[in-house]
Amino acid sequence: ETGVTQTPRHLVMGMTNKKSLKCEQHLGHNAMYWYKQSAKKPLELMFVYSLEERVENNSVPSRFSPECPNSSHLFLHLHTLQPEDSALYLCASSQDPRPWGSRADTQYFGPGTRLTVL
Amino acid sequence: AQSVTQLGSHVSVSEGALVLLRCNYSSSVPPYLFWYVQYPNQGLQLLLKYTSAATLVKGINGFEAEFKKSETSFHLTKPSAHMSDAAEYFCAVSDRGGAGGTSYGKLTFGQGTILTVHP
Repeated sequence: ETGVTQTPRHLVMGMTNKKSLKCEQHLGHNAMYWYKQSAKKPLELMFVYSLEERVENNSVPSRFSPECPNSSHLFLHLHTLQPEDSALYLCASSQDPRPWGSRADTQYFGPGTRLTVL
Repeated sequence: AQSVTQLGSHVSVSEGALVLLRCNYSSSVPPYLFWYVQYPNQGLQLLLKYTSAATLVKGINGFEAEFKKSETSFHLTKPSAHMSDAAEYFCAVSDRGGAGGTSYGKLTFGQGTILTVHP
């Protein structure tokens, strides 16, 4: 148990659907991340929220829309996805370096949501 | 820009044999270095990390890694493989910040190495 939970664990959706992925961390961290893990590709950082402010948007298409209502919760809203968006979406959290943490702080990952777009 | 190269997308060993997973990094200054493991249908779990306190880092499950600046390497080893070690392993780097750096721990991952352990 890593202290980071993700729901749902599996999601199948059509290209015209709208769905949301949810991530919750119980570690008292204040930075949260979305990663995309596709077959045969390195993990791709999608978004970073630090102190509830989006600090990185790694050239992600607008059909992915993140939301961070508080430091414990992170959402990824999905709409009009493409089949190539099928992947494992991982959420992670860590302590932001400002002001107590460091860039060496461990990122703790959730189990991921396996997304299939038909 | 930082980058990480993991040599060998698949490594196969016999139970009880030495495990060696290779990782080389590219960075203008020595970064922070991490090894994560991912078991099937699970997220990533930290095995160990290098933060400059000691060049030989011991992690969980009997794994260790040695930071070699001259070789820009951070290879992961375990003296004796167990069947339960079968998983995918990822090496990652995080910059040390400073001018132009990020204010959070931005990880750059390698492509991963799948470890298979034969009985």
